[in-house]
Amino acid sequence: DADVTQTPRNRITKTGKRIMLECSQTKGHDRMYWYRQDPGLGLRLIYYSFDVKDINKGEISDGYSVSRQAQAKFSLSLESAIPNQTALYFCATSDPPAGGRNEQFFGPGTRLTVL
Amino acid sequence: ELKVEQNPLFLSMQEGKNYTIYCNYSTTSDRLYWYRQDPGKSLESLFVLLSNGAVKQEGRLMASLDTKARLSTLHITAAVHDLSATYFCAVDKSAGNMLTFGGGTRLMVKP
Repeated sequence: DADVTQTPRNRITKTGKRIMLECSQTKGHDRMYWYRQDPGLGLRLIYYSFDVKDINKGEISDGYSVSRQAQAKFSLSLESAIPNQTALYFCATSDPPAGGRNEQFFGPGTRLTVL
Repeated sequence: ELKVEQNPLFLSMQEGKNYTIYCNYSTTSDRLYWYRQDPGKSLESLFVLLSNGAVKQEGRLMASLDTKARLSTLHITAAVHDLSATYFCAVDKSAGNMLTFGGGTRLMVKP
């Protein structure tokens, strides 16, 4: 089984609809992240959470909200979707940097299309 | 604001050739990551570079870090088709595991 899972994998919705993307992990990591990927722009950080009670805005948080339901679950919501939120969304996890590799591990991604 | 720039953005090369992808970043950092992404897939971690002068090698790929120049390179030796993918560098600007990604280099290796 995959260590980081995302649901749904693909979603098509209409402008104005509320959408929730879910992320679960079995790696036991404390830190979780949401990114979006647009062609030619790499990945940009939307929100991140260092533990259940710690949630922070990233570079492009406007129009998004998150919920950390448990150490293993981190959800991203689009309260009122708009077409320029069409993108590929990735969830990632990591451990706190205390020496060692500390790289982030990515889920398979959710392709969201807003019509 | 940390900026991370990769070049080239697109690279088409013949099998058997060598080439280098460059990753420049704008502020001090001593932690840099390289990832690979196949079309429609997630990101796979390739290298973690944790200090100035760090060099890591895996197969035909070798990554290095020069923190004084704020530059990392990903060198490809004797390219093969299986290396075709998009490669991203990412910089951890605060040792807090918050990554800023470059725009990616799309590599196409032709037979």
